Amino acid sequence: DIQMTQSPSAMSASVGDRVTITCRASHGIGNSLAWYQQKPRKVPKRLIYDASNLESGVPSRFSASGSGAEFTFTISSLQPEDFATYFCLQHSNYPRTFGQGTKVEIK
Amino acid sequence: EVQVVESGGGLVQPGGSLRLSCAASGFTFSDHSMDWVRRAPGKGLEWVGRSRDKSNSYTTEYAPSVKGRFTISRDDSKNLLYLQMNSLKTEDTAVYYCASLVSDIWGQGTMVTVS
Repeated sequence: DIQMTQSPSAMSASVGDRVTITCRASHGIGNSLAWYQQKPRKVPKRLIYDASNLESGVPSRFSASGSGAEFTFTISSLQPEDFATYFCLQHSNYPRTFGQGTKVEIK
Repeated sequence: EVQVVESGGGLVQPGGSLRLSCAASGFTFSDHSMDWVRRAPGKGLEWVGRSRDKSNSYTTEYAPSVKGRFTISRDDSKNLLYLQMNSLKTEDTAVYYCASLVSDIWGQGTMVTVS
């Protein structure tokens, strides 16, 4: 199974801050990675697909990069509505595996 | 409107069984692989399993934590996806989401409590 190690598990940040989250895969997964946002009592929402492609309608302050085993997700200027938990998901192999999540909280 | 709606969650004792249903509408269900994903209280998302679509012979995949206990099936004539959960454990307590991860379609989830 491919393990996804996501860091940090939580962070405090202020509006306007740049936020960076990383996911490391235990084996290479090419670009088969997605990033999700989940707010309390809401369903997950995919923000990024195939490692670096922004979903339609997602603000351009969100971006991601990487391939193989190292991936990065960035929010260039944190907005109030961005406080949420973010997850990576590898879809290269079965079982699909999520990162542990990063909870972005208000500083 | 594209949507999936889960039902069937509830409280069950350890060792018991429960069947979740997922009703799909607004898209061609038979063309979609469908997944079950769960989130336990205070934990992250966990992929439970997948039913591939008709063109892939409806084959299934499961997470190691549920393999042999959970079974995913579907009825394309009724646009329904199922998750049969047997030999339930306390660690199966979670909100269970029906989803198409390929198309980013998610239901609101149904809570399963094993206690």
